[in-house]
Amino acid sequence: GAGVSQSPSNKVTEKGKDVELRCDPISGHTALYWYRQSLGQGLEFLIYFQGNSAPDKSGLPSDRFSAERTGGSVSTLTIQRTQQEDSAVYLCASSLGLSPGQVPYEQYFGPGTRLTVT
Amino acid sequence: KNQVEQSPQSLIILEGKNCTLQCNYTVSPFSNLRWYKQDTGRGPVSLTIMTFSENTKSNGRYTATLDADTKQSSLHITASQLSDSASYICVVSAPSSASKIIFGSGTRLSIRP
Repeated sequence: GAGVSQSPSNKVTEKGKDVELRCDPISGHTALYWYRQSLGQGLEFLIYFQGNSAPDKSGLPSDRFSAERTGGSVSTLTIQRTQQEDSAVYLCASSLGLSPGQVPYEQYFGPGTRLTVT
Repeated sequence: KNQVEQSPQSLIILEGKNCTLQCNYTVSPFSNLRWYKQDTGRGPVSLTIMTFSENTKSNGRYTATLDADTKQSSLHITASQLSDSASYICVVSAPSSASKIIFGSGTRLSIRP
């Protein structure tokens, strides 16, 4: 079966422009995560979707960042008025959510979108 | 503050040698600990997962250990191969919250022929 896919793989944009990054999770996975990974840094949590529940947006760094997940499947991360510090790899992951024992299931990651803001 | 710290930041070893990577965490309460391998330009891929009741888990040439009392984990790689060159990330989860998954910054391992 197909894994998590993301598009585009690379995006170069000018400062001040808006960008949209797309994530297609594994079919049947109810949980979807967005992370940001700057060069040489660990993954930084951005936002988490679980089924029809309200998303956990606690990791979004500013109100320029937003994300939605339509129909419980595909997700789009939008960055408005991009800044140079937004340059990073944006990773999406999906999972089955939480087990009956409230333990997070394994996350499966996409290949990421490398965003460069010039 | 929940943290996951890894050491060393980077490591270079010769092909065929063994190595051990370290992970210390302060996440509490603790649910499970995973080691991921991230090849350059790819997303992380899970190697092992351990709950607090497990103290060792193997996956081929990879063996992870966990000491829940001292909050330390290690990943031992035996008979390294060139394809082991990657970043190895320690990830600790808190229970009852799929969003409370804390990532270490990783150890970049380079295997030289």
